[in-house]
Amino acid sequence: DIQMTQSPSTLSASVGDRVTITCRASQSISNWLAWYQQKPGKAPKLLIYKASSLESGVPSRFSGSGSGTEFTLTISSLQPDDSATYYCQQYNNYSRTFGQGTKVEVK
Amino acid sequence: QVQLVESGGGVVQPGRSLRLSCAASGFTFSSYGMHWVRQAPGKGLEWVAVMSYDGSNKYYADSVKGRFTISRDNSKNTLYLQMNSLRAEDTAVYFCAKGALVFITIYYFDYWGQGTLVTVSS
Repeated sequence: DIQMTQSPSTLSASVGDRVTITCRASQSISNWLAWYQQKPGKAPKLLIYKASSLESGVPSRFSGSGSGTEFTLTISSLQPDDSATYYCQQYNNYSRTFGQGTKVEVK
Repeated sequence: QVQLVESGGGVVQPGRSLRLSCAASGFTFSSYGMHWVRQAPGKGLEWVAVMSYDGSNKYYADSVKGRFTISRDNSKNTLYLQMNSLRAEDTAVYFCAKGALVFITIYYFDYWGQGTLVTVSS
C-alpha cells in the first residue's frame, strides 16, 4: 500500500499568515492527489484535486503544488474560517489512502 | 444539488452484523463509483471500500476484507455496506462519498454524506 505522511501534525498561525502543509507519498503517485478540509462534526470538503486544481467555489487563497512523491497545500492568507483539519489523499490506485491529517489553529 | 444521506448506524455487540445505507440524489447515481470511508473517534480518515458505477468491480481495505461487503442498487439510488463480525476497532463514523468522474472507479471524492456512527461495544 502507498503510505501518505503529512507534516506538521498541528500548526498554529495568525490571521493573514501564509501557511504550508506538506504531504509525502511512499512511492510516486504522479499528480493523483487531493486535499480535503474537515471541521469538527462535519464531513470533509474537497479543496484541491490533481495536486493543483482548485475545486469550484473554494477560495483562491488555497493552492496546491507538487508531483511524484512530494506535495504541498498552501493557504496564502490565513482566515479565521480556515481553522480545521486538512487531509491529503492519493488516488493513484484503488486503495485511496489518506495522510494522518494536519490540524490548523488560527490564533 | 447532490445529497448523500447515510443511515443504519447504531450500537452493536462484537461479532454481530450491521448494514449501512447511503441514499443518493441530485446526480445520475448509476454513472459514478461510490465509496465508504470511516473515521474512528478523534482519529483520521480511513478509506474502507469502493464499488464501480455498474457494480462490476469492488475493492476493500485490508482491515475489512472478508468481513465487509459493499453493494449498490442503481434502481434505488442506494449504496450499502454490510458489516459482519464487527470488532471494537470498527467503531467509527462511516461516510459514503461520490467519485468525481463518470464511469471511473479510481478517482477523488467530490461529495460526502454527513456520516452515521457505528459503535461496537458489549
